[in-house]
Amino acid sequence: DIQMTQSPSSLSASVGDGVTITCRASQSISSSLNWYQQKPGKAPKLLISAASSLQSGVPSRFSGSGSGTDFTLTISSLQPEDFATYYCQQSYNTPQTFGQGTKVEIK
Amino acid sequence: EVQLVESGGGLVQPGGSLRLSCAASGFTFSDHYMDWVRQAPGKGLEWVGRTRNKANSYATEYAASVRGRFTISRDDSENSLYLQMNSLKTEDTAVYYCGRVRLGTVGGRVVDYWGQGTLVTVSS
Repeated sequence: DIQMTQSPSSLSASVGDGVTITCRASQSISSSLNWYQQKPGKAPKLLISAASSLQSGVPSRFSGSGSGTDFTLTISSLQPEDFATYYCQQSYNTPQTFGQGTKVEIK
Repeated sequence: EVQLVESGGGLVQPGGSLRLSCAASGFTFSDHYMDWVRQAPGKGLEWVGRTRNKANSYATEYAASVRGRFTISRDDSENSLYLQMNSLKTEDTAVYYCGRVRLGTVGGRVVDYWGQGTLVTVSS
C-alpha cells in the first residue's frame, strides 16, 4: 500500500495568514493526489483533485501543487470558515490511502 | 443536486452483522463507481472499498482490514449502494460514508460527493 504522510499534524494560524500543508507519498503517484476539507461532524469536501485542479465553487485562495511524491496545499489568506481538518488522498491505485490529517486551528 | 443518504448504522455486538445502505439521487447512479470510506471516532479517514459500474462487471475491491468480512453491492434499479458487514470487530467502530466516484480518470478515481455518514458501534 502507498503510505501518505502529512505535515504538520496541526497548526495554529490567524485570519488572513497564509498556510501551507505538505503531503508526501511513499512512492510516485504522478499527479493522482486529492485534498479534502472536513469540519467537525461533517462529511469531507473535495477541494482539489489531480494535485492542482480546483473544484467548482472552491475559493481561489486554495491552491495545490506537486507531482511524483511531494505535494502541497496552500491557503493564501485564511478565512474563519477555513478552520478545519485537511486530508490528502492518493487516487493512483487501491487501496486509496489518506494522510493522517492536518488540523488548522485559530490562533 | 447530488444526494447520498446513508442508513442502517447502530450498535452491534462483536461477531455480529450489519447492513448499511446508501440511497443516491440527483445523478445517473448506474454510470458511477461508488466507494465506502470510514472514520473511527477522533481518527482519520480509511478507504473501505469500491464497486465498479455495470460496464466494468460490478467488480469490487476491498481494504485488507475488511476483506473477507465486508461485501459491497449495489442495485442500480433502486439507485442504492450497500455494505454488508459480517464478523464485526470493535475496531470496525466508525462513521461510514458512501461516496460517488466521479466519471473520468484524470488524476485517478476521485470521490467528489459524500453522504453525511452513519455511525456503527461494535461493542458488547
